[in-house]
Amino acid sequence: GENVEQHPSTLSVQEGDSAVIKCTYSDSASNYFPWYKQELGKRPQLIIDIRSNVGEKKDQRIAVTLNKTAKHFSLHITETQPEDSAVYFCAAQRSNDYKLSFGAGTTVTVRA
Amino acid sequence: SAVISQKPSRDICQRGTSLTIQCQVDSQVTMMFWYRQQPGQSLTLIATANQGSEATYESGFVIDKFPISRPNLTFSTLTVSNMSPEDSSIYLCSVLGQGITGELFFGEGSRLTVL
Repeated sequence: GENVEQHPSTLSVQEGDSAVIKCTYSDSASNYFPWYKQELGKRPQLIIDIRSNVGEKKDQRIAVTLNKTAKHFSLHITETQPEDSAVYFCAAQRSNDYKLSFGAGTTVTVRA
Repeated sequence: SAVISQKPSRDICQRGTSLTIQCQVDSQVTMMFWYRQQPGQSLTLIATANQGSEATYESGFVIDKFPISRPNLTFSTLTVSNMSPEDSSIYLCSVLGQGITGELFFGEGSRLTVL
């Protein structure tokens, strides 16, 4: 099955700085890569996703890049704010398979 | 989008007992799942709840321990049977927004503590 590795496990950044989280996947058949944000005590929520036919996608302060050859994808948060503090999970899904494989998560803390 | 209601939101249970978690969705959905999130850990898929048939369990999860019902396209239950402290987790119901590739919507979760 698909194996998704996520780094780092924790990340502390100064408010206004950028944060980068990296994930690698093992199955070359994976073609959908979402990112979920889980605030403390809340449900995970989708913040951005990318499909294998594009290399980059941006939505305001967040962006995701995908390198299919290297089988890795990254989440970039610019101009971080205290409300960005949360656990972020990457995930991968193979084509024609409804199941998502999640990474271990990254706890992001934005220092004011 | 889908609005998912789960109950109970939290419970404290005694070892050896069973607890049933309910999941109600505000619209009919084809794909419904149950996840477990152990403290400080990632999301692990327990099973896919199939309407009108037996659930499909992932490796490491069995029907006797986690029986699931899915009587219709808007409702499912997960029972955690014969609980032990190792079952202390958050259990999350989730649904796929569309097709088989797309946004996964989660319920708020049910936080179980087993003493």
